[in-house]
Amino acid sequence: DQQVKQNSPSLSVQEGRISILNCDYTNSMFDYFLWYKKYPAEGPTFLISISSIKDKNEDGRFTVFLNKSAKHLSLHIVPSQPGDSAVYFCAASQEGGTASKLTFGTGTRLQVTL
Amino acid sequence: EAGVAQSPRYKIIEKRQSVAFWCNPISGHATLYWYQQILGQGPKLLIQFQNNGVVDDSQLPKDRFSAERLKGVDSTLKIQPAKLEDSAVYLCASSYDSGSVAQYFGPGTRLTVL
Repeated sequence: DQQVKQNSPSLSVQEGRISILNCDYTNSMFDYFLWYKKYPAEGPTFLISISSIKDKNEDGRFTVFLNKSAKHLSLHIVPSQPGDSAVYFCAASQEGGTASKLTFGTGTRLQVTL
Repeated sequence: EAGVAQSPRYKIIEKRQSVAFWCNPISGHATLYWYQQILGQGPKLLIQFQNNGVVDDSQLPKDRFSAERLKGVDSTLKIQPAKLEDSAVYLCASSYDSGSVAQYFGPGTRLTVL
């Protein structure tokens, strides 16, 4: 069973606009969530994370929102830049707010166009 | 600071052959992970080491996969014998310890089984 779901396989956004990537989860025991970015032929790169005790975390152009009641999180990128074009993975953990034993979603490919 | 190193980057073998992958984590990182990423899916955890001990290998197909982390630094993942469905990217990741808030990934080894 897919405990972490990214239902949009791809997303295209114009440069300068907002990119919103979504992630849903089914396991209510998850207490820590991360977003990773992956370029072709490279490993995933950690982007931003959020603990289940928060509903928002911001780091520069990247903001992650968590809605625990809906079991939903989203990543906002503002403004989007061509270098943001990559595959974005949502990941979750239930190990006491740590990044241990991650469960990943299937990824969303973001393309930022000029 | 050097990142997670993996070799080889690519490997092509025939089914029933054996193959081994090597990983060198970030210096000082006690926790090491091996993931399997099949095309179109997110990474799936195979095994987690804490120093040279196994923390979680519940998703490792132990009839054909084995992994070791001698001396608590480098690690090798072996498949013997390989099957067609083992074609995937094998990712190694490390973190300072199991209580860390992020994992750091290597570039992966792309395995093709013919």
